[in-house]
Amino acid sequence: AQRVTQPEKLLSVFKGAPVELKCNYSYSGSPELFWYVQYSRQRLQLLLRHISRESIKGFTADLNKGETSFHLKKPFAQEEDSAMYYCALRGGATNKLIFGTGTLLAVQP
Amino acid sequence: GAGVSQSPRYKVAKRGQDVALRCDPISGHVSLFWYQQALGQGPEFLTYFQNEAQLDKSGLPSDRFFAERPEGSVSTLKIQRTQQEDSAVYLCASSLATGGGAGKLFFGSGTQLSVL
Repeated sequence: AQRVTQPEKLLSVFKGAPVELKCNYSYSGSPELFWYVQYSRQRLQLLLRHISRESIKGFTADLNKGETSFHLKKPFAQEEDSAMYYCALRGGATNKLIFGTGTLLAVQP
Repeated sequence: GAGVSQSPRYKVAKRGQDVALRCDPISGHVSLFWYQQALGQGPEFLTYFQNEAQLDKSGLPSDRFFAERPEGSVSTLKIQRTQQEDSAVYLCASSLATGGGAGKLFFGSGTQLSVL
């Protein structure tokens, strides 16, 4: 079965500190992984996806198939990074995304 | 339009009432998804349309839930005989592509349904 696990409900860091939001997935084939973000009073929106291998707003994520992980990282957190972050998985022929339960990132000044 | 539009923004229903939630996707977007998000949870997949065809309805929790997209554009999610456990935010999302590009979803603001 396809499943996405985000073990932390809340991650609180100080401005300038490194950030790592954890995501583990369960899928037997070759998955597509995504990070979506929801800022306060805004819509859920795509942050990045593993196939693009891009860095968005200083965030990166590397797919580790051996550890079935897709952790989101940023070397220096900023206050405007405070938001809800969701990891999502798309596997096989289906077009649906399976979301994790989300991690609230709070960046303290 | 500027983005995915959902209406109403809020809906309060008495238990047993029927409700209809509307989604207006971005013009030209082939794929349309409905998700249910309970408080403190991530979005849970309900159903998927490619144009007017409902290709996946595996996430619909019961036969009280019904979705349609008759002309391949606007979609309606209907919930019959609402129950308290139906209280959630219902999110609609659309995507320009199918297949590999379908993972980039554009979400609406959602309809918050409260069943009393």
